[in-house]
Amino acid sequence: DAGITQSPRYKITETGRQVTLMCHQTWSHSYMFWYRQDLGHGLRLIYYSAAADITDKGEVPDGYVVSRSKTENFPLTLESATRSQTSVYFCASSGSGNSNQPQHFGDGTRLSIL
Amino acid sequence: AQKITQTQPGMFVQEKEAVTLDCTYDTSDPSYGLFWYKQPSSGEMIFLIYQGSYDQQNATEGRYSLNFQKARKSANLVISASQLGDSAMYFCAMREGYNAGGTSYGKLTFGQGTILTVHP
Repeated sequence: DAGITQSPRYKITETGRQVTLMCHQTWSHSYMFWYRQDLGHGLRLIYYSAAADITDKGEVPDGYVVSRSKTENFPLTLESATRSQTSVYFCASSGSGNSNQPQHFGDGTRLSIL
Repeated sequence: AQKITQTQPGMFVQEKEAVTLDCTYDTSDPSYGLFWYKQPSSGEMIFLIYQGSYDQQNATEGRYSLNFQKARKSANLVISASQLGDSAMYFCAMREGYNAGGTSYGKLTFGQGTILTVHP
């Protein structure tokens, strides 16, 4: 089915470990985004990508790395996980950066760092 | 500065009644979009409705409508004939026009959300 999928849905890991969250979309959307959702902060942008091989930082990029070698995939890597990165992570995509384009979200990854 | 403000942390409504969820925004960009998303307890983010800054009429999508008052910078969501399945967190979000070389990069800026509970 067409859409945007995230994996895994749930992940528990330990501080200092590297963990990668996957995001895959089948719409061939140019723009992809990673947000984190925390109580009291709503959703905050971590990184975004305007096209394959074009990525840039959002509001809270520290401790995260992204890549986009293919249009349909946008993985997010925590290089050395910290407890403060425990959160729910959402990937989103849209056809363009125009203000009239909604972003469509994956189901989220709930990440716990012990 | 807070760009999207949702002042109602929680709202209660009786089934079959209408409810309005408030949202105010702040931007100097003449081109922007306003979106409402629903997040049920299962966690996914569901796009509900969109209003463009240049749209002359209020947006409607089924039981959802948007009361857009541009001069007041408000974009309230109205849900008519509430159903038990409407119980969820609702987020207002704004997307400013893409500004090449600037900082908007088409991101969504979210409010803090309003938890809606529908009573039978």
